[in-house]
Amino acid sequence: GESVGLHLPTLSVQEGDNSIINCAYSNSASDYFIWYKQESGKGPQFIIDIRSNMDKRQGQRVTVLLNKTVKHLSLQIAATQPGDSAVYFCAETNTGGFKTIFGAGTRLFVKA
Amino acid sequence: SAVISQKPSRDICQRGTSLTIQCQVDSQVTMMFWYRQQPGQSLTLIATANQGSEATYESGFVIDKFPISRPNLTFSTLTVSNMSPEDSSIYLCSVPEGDYGYTFGSGTRLTVV
Repeated sequence: GESVGLHLPTLSVQEGDNSIINCAYSNSASDYFIWYKQESGKGPQFIIDIRSNMDKRQGQRVTVLLNKTVKHLSLQIAATQPGDSAVYFCAETNTGGFKTIFGAGTRLFVKA
Repeated sequence: SAVISQKPSRDICQRGTSLTIQCQVDSQVTMMFWYRQQPGQSLTLIATANQGSEATYESGFVIDKFPISRPNLTFSTLTVSNMSPEDSSIYLCSVPEGDYGYTFGSGTRLTVV
């Protein structure tokens, strides 16, 4: 079907390789970050989160790295699979209450 | 986590008409959120729908254009009124999940011709 983000930055990787998706967040007061995955025709789905008191968190095949000095967040996907093809969004918020801000998104293509 | 049923999944509408999008949640939630996702862009919050009170709209969005209903703790509607081609987007409802995350509906892809 028609894709979500026709003009988003795109990352193309070979199946089995590792993927790294980057995100620059905007607010130095943000202290909680989430990565979402959005497949075509679906809403965003939670992948992994990290609080600002951490610089790394690992899940199943995914790792999020946080560099507060340069306000940078990355999502690493190990052994990328065709099912990982989607648009990935980072989101930032402050647990004291300001609204969640979603990043621009990156489209990941996995070549078989 | 909550399960959200959103409909319609897509629609093609004539300019000047209105479309009402529905979201049903399988559990009671205090807040529901409506987002717009324009082509090639990220998610922008339209408004927060609270049961028993008027929705709270974000800057750039007004009630006359996007009226919202929240009759109970499991249901909300968003109407896109007097549509123009610029309203062509994906519209998503969501509810809080965990500490600070969200669960989203599957979205409504709207095309205005």
